[in-house]
Amino acid sequence: DIQMTQSPSSLSASVGDRVTITCRASQSIDKYLSWYQQKPGKAPKLLIYGASSLQSGVPSRFSGSGSGTDFTLTISSLQPEDFGTFYCQQSDTTPYTFGQGTKLEIK
Amino acid sequence: QVQLQESGPGLVKPSETLSLTCTVSGDSISNYYWNWIRQPAGKGLEWIGRIYTSGSTNYNPSLKSRVTMSVDTSKNQFALKVNSLTAADTAVYYCARGHFDWLYIDYWGQGILVTVSS
Repeated sequence: DIQMTQSPSSLSASVGDRVTITCRASQSIDKYLSWYQQKPGKAPKLLIYGASSLQSGVPSRFSGSGSGTDFTLTISSLQPEDFGTFYCQQSDTTPYTFGQGTKLEIK
Repeated sequence: QVQLQESGPGLVKPSETLSLTCTVSGDSISNYYWNWIRQPAGKGLEWIGRIYTSGSTNYNPSLKSRVTMSVDTSKNQFALKVNSLTAADTAVYYCARGHFDWLYIDYWGQGILVTVSS
């Protein structure tokens, strides 16, 4: 299975901060990488697909980059509603696998 | 607006079989592929498998041969069966839609909590 490793596991940031979460795949996955945000008690919400394509309806402060094994999710200016746990997920090879999650807290 | 809704029992006994159905509304099931994903309480996400409307499937080897998926295009539904349940199968189970380009998963159901207990 392809292992997805996210860092950091948790972070706390203030409104207006620029936040970066990284995801590393154990082998190349081209750009078959998605990012999700999950809030407590809710299903994950797709933010980014194809490593850098913004899902319709997602604010433009979210962006993704990378290809191969190294990927980044950036929130350009953190908003109060951006709390939650963020997951990366590869769809290059089955079984699809997720990162362990990054819990984002708003200070 | 597409919606997915999981249905099935919330409590299942050990060694028994879990049967869940996902009903899709707002779009045809034929234009996508379909996934099941689960999440134990307080833990991360585990992909269970996917099914195409042709009936072709891919399962996560971690569940070995305990999983079966099926699709009913006439009802816009797809289903999951997991047999030989143990407490480790207790989780929120999600159904979700997959796209053919980049194979990404966009819409998810709200999830259904399944508890395995006698």
